[in-house]
Amino acid sequence: DAGVIQSPRHEVTEMGQEVTLRCKPISGHNSLFWYRQTMMRGLELLIYFNNNVPIDDSGMPEDRFSAKMPNASFSTLKIQPSEPRDSAVYFCASRRGVNTEAFFGQGTRLTVV
Amino acid sequence: KNEVEQSPQNLTAQEGEFITINCSYSVGISALHWLQQHPGGGIVSLFMLSSGKKKHGRLIATINIQEKHSSLHITASHPRDSAVYICAVRDGATNKLIFGTGTLLAVQP
Repeated sequence: DAGVIQSPRHEVTEMGQEVTLRCKPISGHNSLFWYRQTMMRGLELLIYFNNNVPIDDSGMPEDRFSAKMPNASFSTLKIQPSEPRDSAVYFCASRRGVNTEAFFGQGTRLTVV
Repeated sequence: KNEVEQSPQNLTAQEGEFITINCSYSVGISALHWLQQHPGGGIVSLFMLSSGKKKHGRLIATINIQEKHSSLHITASHPRDSAVYICAVRDGATNKLIFGTGTLLAVQP
């Protein structure tokens, strides 16, 4: 298996633009997580899905952020409109079951200028 | 006060040294994870444990549930061990992962 695949690896955009980050979890994994990592706040959970259903989105910063998981093999995290303070590395992770290890993607480094 | 505290925040060691990174937490947990993040940014899960001790190669992780403390040990450290090591606990009440701020390890040849 290729692991968790995120795209793009790097994104530079102007403030006000819409940004879409993509994640393909490991096949057979039924939980998917979106995390954000910044120097100031470290790693933070934004949202997680179980069996394609959003379970907890309390970490989503505000209404500009939205996440979808239309099927078991694909998820998106959208920021609209983007702001410079959204600049961070966004990680996607997936796992099988409940108390198991999560596997992380390589991350998307987002820079909003 | 952070719910997950790691120490030290920064650590420089000479190749071959025995290294210990500590993690203390204040919430009831169902599991604790040790993650490794390389300079390129990728995150790898090293261990998940809920009791006792686990060993993988030169890495050893221990947890003391009563004391709410875990340690990650690296024996015979090598420059390729240079990375950020992150402790994360799964809150037993909310099932959310709470992350420590990480320990930046640099192993010099």
